[in-house]
Amino acid sequence: QITLKESGPTLVKPTQTLTLTCTFSGFSLSTSGVGVGWIRQPPGKALEWLALIYWDDDKRYSPSLKSRLTITKDTSKNQVVLTMTNMDPVDTATYYCAHREYYYGSGSYDYWGQGTLVTVSS
Amino acid sequence: DIVMTQTPLSSPVTLGQPASISCRSSQSLVHSDGNTYLSWLQQRPGQPPRLLIYKISNRFSGVPDRFSGSGAGTDFTLKISRVEAEDVGVYYCMQATQFPFTFGPGTKVDIK
Repeated sequence: QITLKESGPTLVKPTQTLTLTCTFSGFSLSTSGVGVGWIRQPPGKALEWLALIYWDDDKRYSPSLKSRLTITKDTSKNQVVLTMTNMDPVDTATYYCAHREYYYGSGSYDYWGQGTLVTVSS
Repeated sequence: DIVMTQTPLSSPVTLGQPASISCRSSQSLVHSDGNTYLSWLQQRPGQPPRLLIYKISNRFSGVPDRFSGSGAGTDFTLKISRVEAEDVGVYYCMQATQFPFTFGPGTKVDIK
């Protein structure tokens, strides 16, 4: 079965760079049509889409955060890494990674990790 | 960006009664490949989101048949035929037709 798990620091200081890792199993990011995305949710607020990387290394970013985000994949390790620079307290949120299958699947985010809460504070 | 709106934002319902949530997009969600990538997600308290419905009306694996989706173009609806206690949570519509993907603000469903 498909599982995803986010890992990274729970606390970062303002201006620091956040690095989050999504480790997954049950699928391969070298399979045509497959992608892994990042979505965040500030406490008590709605979901916000951040970034997505596809099997062919096509990368898409939220325009409002594009200058601060980088998404990469390591197919051999079954991992996707998201970095976000210049962290600010407003970036405090639970960060989720999720699976997307475009060609033969739902076309939506059908499997989600449990999420990791990142707090930005000095 | 495509803006997603939902009504109502809060929906107190009686157990066993139906519930309905509307979602509207600021532009058509019909993709050039002919699909409409409108989905519904449920987020129970303290849990990650869970996919319920994809491409307007397709129930994801394991989703009870009391959940149904309908609509076209820019107007979509999620219906719960008979609300159960486990349905309490926040429901989001999401579009994956055009980047950036966007979510609605969420509709909180709780029991009267």
